[in-house]
Amino acid sequence: RKEVEQDPGPFNVPEGATVAFNCTYSNSASQSFFWYRQDCRKEPKLLMSVYSSGNEDGRFTAQLNRASQYISLLIRDSKLSDSATYLCVVNTGNQFYFGTGTSLTVIP
Amino acid sequence: GAVVSQHPSWVICKSGTSVKIECRSLDFQATTMFWYRQFPKQSLMLMATSNEGSKATYEQGVEKDKFLINHASLTLSTLTVTSAHPEDSSFYICSASGGQLSYEQYFGPGTRLTVT
Repeated sequence: RKEVEQDPGPFNVPEGATVAFNCTYSNSASQSFFWYRQDCRKEPKLLMSVYSSGNEDGRFTAQLNRASQYISLLIRDSKLSDSATYLCVVNTGNQFYFGTGTSLTVIP
Repeated sequence: GAVVSQHPSWVICKSGTSVKIECRSLDFQATTMFWYRQFPKQSLMLMATSNEGSKATYEQGVEKDKFLINHASLTLSTLTVTSAHPEDSSFYICSASGGQLSYEQYFGPGTRLTVT
């Protein structure tokens, strides 16, 4: 079983829509969780960390469910500039495990 | 966020030559650096993890004699692709974590390698 499983999509949504991505992880001892954004031919950039209490940054909300071992990212009021690949990352010990990434395209 | 640089950003080399890629953490001490490879439209693939002052730990299927990794200081790691072949053409990305940032990792801008 993979350490991190993520639906690769693609997700094609109209501008203004709300879209949610989920990611599951297999190791209950995992300590830290992140969402990264990667644009085409660029390096991943940290979008936000995910905390147990859930956290929000503008239109983006991240949540962690330790009992079910999944993390989620919700994007409200999608913008064209949100089009990218979103990667979930799980830190276990000194190892970082990446999901395969979910491709999002926001359509005008 | 922390800054990680990578050099060169783009390199074209002939088959059989070796290429060295540098990864530097500019504003923090990176106790751990990671090297990834990414083929077009595919996800990042971890190649190896290196801790400062010790030998790198390679992922299964990654040849350590072909991809030489050196992490001699807390701010610099290098990846040398030896005897490069066209199938080594890829996007190589390093990331670093350490100190107060030990639970996050910051990526370099990547190096696009093309082997002709």
